[in-house]
Amino acid sequence: GQNIDQPTEMTATEGAIVQINCTYQTSGFNGLFWYQQHAGEAPTFLSYNVLDGLEEKGRFSSFLSRSKGYSYLLLKELQMKDSASYLCALTSGTYKYIFGTGTRLKVLA
Amino acid sequence: GAVVSQHPSWVICKSGTSVKIECRSLDFQATTMFWYRQFPKQSLMLMATSNEGSKATYEQGVEKDKFLINHASLTLSTLTVTSAHPEDSSFYICSTRDRLDYEQYFGPGTRLTVT
Repeated sequence: GQNIDQPTEMTATEGAIVQINCTYQTSGFNGLFWYQQHAGEAPTFLSYNVLDGLEEKGRFSSFLSRSKGYSYLLLKELQMKDSASYLCALTSGTYKYIFGTGTRLKVLA
Repeated sequence: GAVVSQHPSWVICKSGTSVKIECRSLDFQATTMFWYRQFPKQSLMLMATSNEGSKATYEQGVEKDKFLINHASLTLSTLTVTSAHPEDSSFYICSTRDRLDYEQYFGPGTRLTVT
Protein backbone atom coordinates (compact mmCIF):
# COMPACT_ATOMS: atom_id res chain seq x y z
CA GLY A 1 0.00 0.00 0.00
CA GLN A 2 0.87 3.64 0.01
CA ASN A 3 0.91 6.26 2.73
CA ILE A 4 1.73 9.92 2.24
CA ASP A 5 1.90 12.38 5.13
CA GLN A 6 2.12 16.14 5.30
CA PRO A 7 1.63 18.60 8.15
CA THR A 8 -1.97 19.76 8.24
CA GLU A 9 -1.37 23.46 8.73
CA MET A 10 1.53 25.89 8.77
CA THR A 11 1.79 29.60 9.38
CA ALA A 12 4.58 31.88 8.22
CA THR A 13 5.28 35.58 7.83
CA GLU A 14 5.39 37.54 4.62
CA GLY A 15 8.96 37.65 3.27
CA ALA A 16 10.06 34.58 5.21
CA ILE A 17 11.04 31.10 4.02
CA VAL A 18 8.89 28.05 4.73
CA GLN A 19 9.55 24.35 4.21
CA ILE A 20 6.65 21.95 3.74
CA ASN A 21 7.54 18.31 4.25
CA CYS A 22 6.08 15.21 2.63
CA THR A 23 6.96 11.70 3.80
CA TYR A 24 5.81 8.59 2.05
CA GLN A 25 5.88 4.81 2.05
CA THR A 26 5.28 3.09 -1.25
CA SER A 27 6.06 -0.20 -2.91
CA GLY A 28 7.11 1.48 -6.14
CA PHE A 29 8.09 4.98 -7.16
CA ASN A 30 8.09 6.89 -10.43
CA GLY A 31 8.03 10.50 -9.38
CA LEU A 32 6.74 13.08 -6.92
CA PHE A 33 4.76 16.19 -7.76
CA TRP A 34 3.97 19.32 -5.80
CA TYR A 35 0.79 21.28 -6.52
CA GLN A 36 -0.64 24.50 -5.13
CA GLN A 37 -4.38 24.80 -4.63
CA HIS A 38 -6.30 27.91 -3.65
CA ALA A 39 -9.66 27.32 -2.01
CA GLY A 40 -12.34 26.37 -4.51
CA GLU A 41 -9.91 26.16 -7.40
CA ALA A 42 -8.06 23.44 -9.28
CA PRO A 43 -4.54 22.44 -8.29
CA THR A 44 -1.75 24.08 -10.26
CA PHE A 45 1.58 22.41 -10.99
CA LEU A 46 4.64 23.58 -9.07
CA SER A 47 7.35 20.96 -9.46
CA TYR A 48 8.26 17.39 -10.30
CA ASN A 49 11.08 15.29 -8.86
CA VAL A 50 12.18 11.97 -10.27
CA LEU A 51 15.77 11.80 -9.07
CA ASP A 52 17.25 12.67 -5.69
CA GLY A 53 18.23 16.25 -5.15
CA LEU A 54 16.95 19.77 -5.39
CA GLU A 55 14.91 21.25 -8.23
CA GLU A 56 14.77 25.04 -8.19
CA LYS A 57 12.18 27.13 -9.96
CA GLY A 58 12.13 30.78 -9.01
CA ARG A 59 10.86 31.21 -5.45
CA PHE A 60 9.94 27.55 -5.23
CA SER A 61 12.30 24.61 -4.78
CA SER A 62 11.57 20.95 -4.22
CA PHE A 63 13.85 18.31 -2.78
CA LEU A 64 13.60 14.53 -2.98
CA SER A 65 15.33 11.69 -1.15
CA ARG A 66 14.04 8.39 -2.47
CA SER A 67 15.97 6.31 0.06
CA LYS A 68 14.34 8.21 2.92
CA GLY A 69 10.89 8.47 1.36
CA TYR A 70 11.03 12.20 1.89
CA SER A 71 10.41 15.36 -0.06
CA TYR A 72 10.02 19.00 0.81
CA LEU A 73 8.80 22.12 -0.91
CA LEU A 74 10.68 25.30 -0.06
CA LEU A 75 8.99 28.64 -0.59
CA LYS A 76 11.17 31.74 -0.38
CA GLU A 77 10.24 35.41 -0.07
CA LEU A 78 6.74 34.51 0.96
CA GLN A 79 3.91 36.62 -0.38
CA MET A 80 0.32 36.90 0.82
CA LYS A 81 -0.84 35.19 -2.38
CA ASP A 82 1.11 32.08 -1.34
CA SER A 83 -1.59 31.37 1.24
CA ALA A 84 -3.01 28.14 -0.17
CA SER A 85 -2.96 24.39 0.24
CA TYR A 86 0.12 22.53 -0.96
CA LEU A 87 -0.30 18.95 -2.08
CA CYS A 88 2.35 16.39 -2.77
CA ALA A 89 1.42 13.51 -5.04
CA LEU A 90 3.37 10.49 -6.08
CA THR A 91 3.12 8.08 -8.94
CA SER A 92 4.21 4.49 -8.55
CA GLY A 93 4.04 2.09 -11.44
CA THR A 94 0.92 3.61 -12.94
CA TYR A 95 -0.08 7.02 -14.15
CA LYS A 96 -2.39 7.55 -11.19
CA TYR A 97 -1.61 10.22 -8.64
CA ILE A 98 -1.82 9.38 -4.97
CA PHE A 99 -2.16 12.65 -3.13
CA GLY A 100 -0.84 13.43 0.31
CA THR A 101 -3.02 14.84 3.03
CA GLY A 102 -2.22 18.42 1.99
CA THR A 103 -0.80 21.33 3.97
CA ARG A 104 -2.73 24.56 4.44
CA LEU A 105 -0.28 27.45 4.53
CA LYS A 106 -1.29 30.78 5.97
CA VAL A 107 0.96 33.75 5.27
CA LEU A 108 0.66 36.60 7.74
CA ALA A 109 1.51 40.23 7.08
CA GLY B 1 0.21 22.73 -20.51
CA ALA B 2 -3.15 21.37 -21.54
CA VAL B 3 -6.38 23.26 -20.99
CA VAL B 4 -9.19 21.37 -19.28
CA SER B 5 -12.70 22.68 -18.73
CA GLN B 6 -15.53 21.42 -16.57
CA HIS B 7 -19.21 22.11 -16.73
CA PRO B 8 -21.06 23.12 -14.70
CA SER B 9 -18.81 24.97 -12.27
CA TRP B 10 -21.39 24.56 -9.56
CA VAL B 11 -24.72 22.78 -9.24
CA ILE B 12 -27.39 22.38 -6.59
CA CYS B 13 -29.72 19.42 -6.84
CA LYS B 14 -32.34 17.70 -4.75
CA SER B 15 -31.73 14.41 -3.01
CA GLY B 16 -32.58 11.46 -5.25
CA THR B 17 -31.89 13.19 -8.54
CA SER B 18 -28.95 12.61 -10.90
CA VAL B 19 -26.34 15.12 -11.94
CA LYS B 20 -23.98 14.97 -14.91
CA ILE B 21 -20.60 16.71 -14.86
CA GLU B 22 -18.63 17.18 -18.07
CA CYS B 23 -14.86 17.31 -18.40
CA ARG B 24 -13.37 18.50 -21.68
CA SER B 25 -9.80 18.51 -22.89
CA LEU B 26 -9.70 21.61 -25.09
CA ASP B 27 -6.37 21.44 -26.84
CA PHE B 28 -5.23 17.85 -26.97
CA GLN B 29 -6.64 14.38 -27.24
CA ALA B 30 -6.90 12.69 -23.90
CA THR B 31 -7.06 8.94 -23.91
CA THR B 32 -7.02 8.96 -20.13
CA MET B 33 -8.86 11.24 -17.72
CA PHE B 34 -9.09 11.05 -13.95
CA TRP B 35 -11.94 11.95 -11.63
CA TYR B 36 -11.29 13.16 -8.09
CA ARG B 37 -13.47 14.14 -5.18
CA GLN B 38 -12.43 16.64 -2.54
CA PHE B 39 -14.24 17.29 0.73
CA PRO B 40 -13.70 20.57 2.61
CA LYS B 41 -10.22 20.96 4.05
CA GLN B 42 -9.18 17.57 2.71
CA SER B 43 -6.95 16.42 -0.10
CA LEU B 44 -7.97 15.04 -3.47
CA MET B 45 -9.19 11.47 -3.50
CA LEU B 46 -9.00 9.59 -6.81
CA MET B 47 -12.37 8.09 -7.69
CA ALA B 48 -11.73 6.52 -11.06
CA THR B 49 -9.63 6.46 -14.19
CA SER B 50 -11.57 7.08 -17.35
CA ASN B 51 -10.28 5.48 -20.54
CA GLU B 52 -11.54 6.48 -23.98
CA GLY B 53 -13.57 3.75 -25.57
CA SER B 54 -13.47 1.38 -22.61
CA LYS B 55 -14.83 0.98 -19.12
CA ALA B 56 -13.58 3.17 -16.33
CA THR B 57 -11.42 1.75 -13.58
CA TYR B 58 -12.77 2.58 -10.15
CA GLU B 59 -10.79 2.92 -6.95
CA GLN B 60 -11.58 0.71 -4.02
CA GLY B 61 -14.66 1.86 -2.15
CA VAL B 62 -16.13 3.89 -5.02
CA GLU B 63 -19.51 2.58 -6.20
CA LYS B 64 -19.40 2.25 -9.97
CA ASP B 65 -23.20 2.05 -10.21
CA LYS B 66 -23.56 5.32 -8.37
CA PHE B 67 -20.80 7.25 -10.14
CA LEU B 68 -21.22 6.52 -13.82
CA ILE B 69 -18.32 7.48 -16.04
CA ASN B 70 -18.45 7.71 -19.80
CA HIS B 71 -15.45 8.59 -21.98
CA ALA B 72 -16.94 8.41 -25.45
CA SER B 73 -14.47 10.68 -27.23
CA LEU B 74 -10.88 11.81 -26.89
CA THR B 75 -11.97 15.21 -25.62
CA LEU B 76 -14.90 14.46 -23.34
CA SER B 77 -15.47 12.44 -20.19
CA THR B 78 -18.62 12.65 -18.10
CA LEU B 79 -19.32 11.75 -14.49
CA THR B 80 -22.94 11.17 -13.52
CA VAL B 81 -23.80 11.07 -9.84
CA THR B 82 -26.95 8.98 -9.68
CA SER B 83 -29.54 9.19 -6.92
CA ALA B 84 -27.52 11.90 -5.22
CA HIS B 85 -27.61 12.26 -1.45
CA PRO B 86 -26.37 15.08 0.78
CA GLU B 87 -23.21 13.11 1.59
CA ASP B 88 -22.30 13.29 -2.12
CA SER B 89 -21.94 17.05 -1.78
CA SER B 90 -18.33 17.72 -2.65
CA PHE B 91 -15.92 19.36 -5.06
CA TYR B 92 -15.41 17.13 -8.11
CA ILE B 93 -12.28 17.69 -10.20
CA CYS B 94 -11.18 16.01 -13.39
CA SER B 95 -7.74 15.87 -14.94
CA THR B 96 -6.09 14.68 -18.12
CA ARG B 97 -2.69 13.15 -18.54
CA ASP B 98 0.03 14.19 -20.92
CA ARG B 99 0.79 11.14 -22.98
CA LEU B 100 4.53 11.79 -22.82
CA ASP B 101 4.97 12.00 -19.08
CA TYR B 102 3.25 11.72 -15.76
CA GLU B 103 2.03 15.29 -15.36
CA GLN B 104 -1.71 15.79 -15.03
CA TYR B 105 -3.68 18.90 -15.99
CA PHE B 106 -6.65 19.73 -13.83
CA GLY B 107 -10.02 21.18 -14.65
CA PRO B 108 -11.44 24.05 -12.57
CA GLY B 109 -13.70 21.73 -10.58
CA THR B 110 -17.44 21.40 -10.03
CA ARG B 111 -19.03 22.20 -6.68
CA LEU B 112 -21.97 19.85 -6.09
CA THR B 113 -24.46 20.57 -3.32
CA VAL B 114 -27.25 18.06 -2.69
CA THR B 115 -30.13 19.34 -0.62
